Formats: sequence, structure tokens, C-alpha cells
Amino acid sequence: ELKVEQNPLFLSMQEGKNYTIYCNYSTTSDRLYWYRQDPGKSLESLFVLLSNGAVKQEGRLMASLDTKARLSTLHITAAVHDLSATYFCAVVGTNTGNQFYFGTGTSLTVIP
Amino acid sequence: ETGVTQTPRHLVMGMTNKKSLKCEQHLGHNAMYWYKQSAKKPLELMFVYNFKEQTENNSVPSRFSPECPNSSHLFLHLHTLQPEDSALYLCASSQEGDGTSGELFFGEGSRLTVL
Repeated sequence: ELKVEQNPLFLSMQEGKNYTIYCNYSTTSDRLYWYRQDPGKSLESLFVLLSNGAVKQEGRLMASLDTKARLSTLHITAAVHDLSATYFCAVVGTNTGNQFYFGTGTSLTVIP
Repeated sequence: ETGVTQTPRHLVMGMTNKKSLKCEQHLGHNAMYWYKQSAKKPLELMFVYNFKEQTENNSVPSRFSPECPNSSHLFLHLHTLQPEDSALYLCASSQEGDGTSGELFFGEGSRLTVL
């Protein structure tokens, strides 16, 4: 079974600071997704990364994928309170059909 | 109506009840999914329907019974559940094949409490 590990699991950061969330996975993949979930809400798609070296940016968030290292990062620049949420990465393995494997999530709190 | 809609949003049931969760997608997708989200655990895939045929069943107990009458609707029938089945049940859809990204689009979820 494909394993997906995110770290940190919990992150408290001050507004204006930068930080990176890491997503490691255990087998080959060329499809990786980042989602955001607000409390009591569903998962909202943030980024779709489909090739090695892919980099996507939206506002203060930037995601990248290194398929050789089996690693994706979600970088937060100059955090603001509105970014407080739980962030999940999800991986579809090369040989696992269309099954998505999710990490346990990173709960981010941005403190004013 | 847009996206993926789930009903009911909240459900409380006893262990001997029978209830159903409903999901409808308005995105024209060809695959639909049921996920279970419990506290402090990764999302667990329960069932996948691709072109209305069930293609995945991840060792889900038989007290959960899926039904996919067409490509837009998905049900999860519940009977004789256990308290540990209390969780948020998320429906999702995606478009598979034809070079698409296969991105999952989620509904708002059905919060289930089993007493």
C-alpha cells in the first residue's frame, strides 16, 4: 500500500512568516494533489502537480513536486490569518489504478 | 446547483436503524467515490464507481452498502452500524481518462453519529 506522510502535523506560525509543509510518499507517482479543509467544511482543491519539477503558485501558496525524491512541498509566504486550515496532500501511485492516498493532514494556525 | 452535493449534512442514528446518504454530482464526471474521514486518521477510501461500475471496495464492512444508479448519483446505505462508524462521510467525483488531471471534487460531507 502506498504510504503518504506529511509533516509537520501541527503548525502554528505568526503572520508574515514563511514556512514549508512536506509531503513524502512511498512509491512511484506522477500525480500529486494539495487540498485545503476549513473546520466543518469539505476539501477544496488547491494544486494539481502532474510531472517531475512541476511548480504551481496561487497567492501566498506555492507547491512543487520532485518525483525522484518522492517529495512535494507546500510553501507559505508571508502567512495571513485566512490561511488557517488543514492542508492535505494526496498521491495517486503509478501502479495503483486511480486510488488516491491521502496524508494525515497539516493543521495550520496563523497567529496575528 | 453546482459541484457535488450531499444530503443529509448531519445524521444521528441508532445502531439498529437503516438510513442512506445521498450524493449528486453536477460536473459531468464519470467516477464517484465514498471516503470516510475520522479524527486523526487519513481519509479512507471506501468505494469507487467508474462508469457506474464498482471498481474498488477497500474491505469495507457489509453494514455499508453502496449504490450507483447512474453516473450522477451515489448512495451509501447504512444498517446496524457501530459507534466507531461515527465520522464525516465525503463523496467525491472526478473525470477519468482522456488526459484529464483526475482531480477529485468533494461534497460538503455528511456528519454521521451512531448512538
